Amino acid sequence: DQQVKQNSPSLSVQEGRISILNCDYTNSMFDYFLWYKKYPAEGPTFLISISSIKDKNEDGRFTVFLNKSAKHLSLHIVPSQPGDSAVYFCAVPPPFGNEKLTFGTGTRLTIIP
Amino acid sequence: DGGITQSPKYLFRKEGQNVTLSCEQNLNHDAMYWYRQDPGQGLRLIYYSQIVNDFQKGDIAEGYSVSREKKESFPLTVTSAQKNPTAFYLCASSRDGTVSSLHFGNGTRLTVT
Repeated sequence: DQQVKQNSPSLSVQEGRISILNCDYTNSMFDYFLWYKKYPAEGPTFLISISSIKDKNEDGRFTVFLNKSAKHLSLHIVPSQPGDSAVYFCAVPPPFGNEKLTFGTGTRLTIIP
Repeated sequence: DGGITQSPKYLFRKEGQNVTLSCEQNLNHDAMYWYRQDPGQGLRLIYYSQIVNDFQKGDIAEGYSVSREKKESFPLTVTSAQKNPTAFYLCASSRDGTVSSLHFGNGTRLTVT
């Protein structure tokens, strides 16, 4: 039973436009969410996170939105750049704990020049 | 330069053989993790260790074994009992056992034929 779902395996966006990546979760007790970016044959790198006490967190071109009632979060990248082409994973630690992460299945983002 | 080193980058083995994947970190991190990545399945946790000489099973520990004799090293053995060992294996560490500070190595791609 997947606790974290990314329903779009791939997404293509024109350079300069907005990229929106989505993530749904099942456990309303989750209280912290992270996004990782992964290039081929490399390890994931941390991108941005959000706590459940907030509904938005922004860092430069990257903004994460959290909708607790819908159990949904999204990552917005604007403007999209060719270097943003990668696989993006959302991830959550267990409720009331932070000793491990559960990852979504990932979305492959391709930015078209 | 501090970081996590996984070696080798590519590994080939015959079915029925055990194989050990190396993971070394010089970040002085307490916790270390092993994840496996398969196409369309995201990252799944195999084992993790919060402290030397202690480790816990993750979500897919069957067919794997680990040891944590030194703080900087967390080798993973893929045994012949693992039904589908071909995958991309990622090692990670975190400073204080919290996933907000998770750092990944660049992975080892294991192919078993």
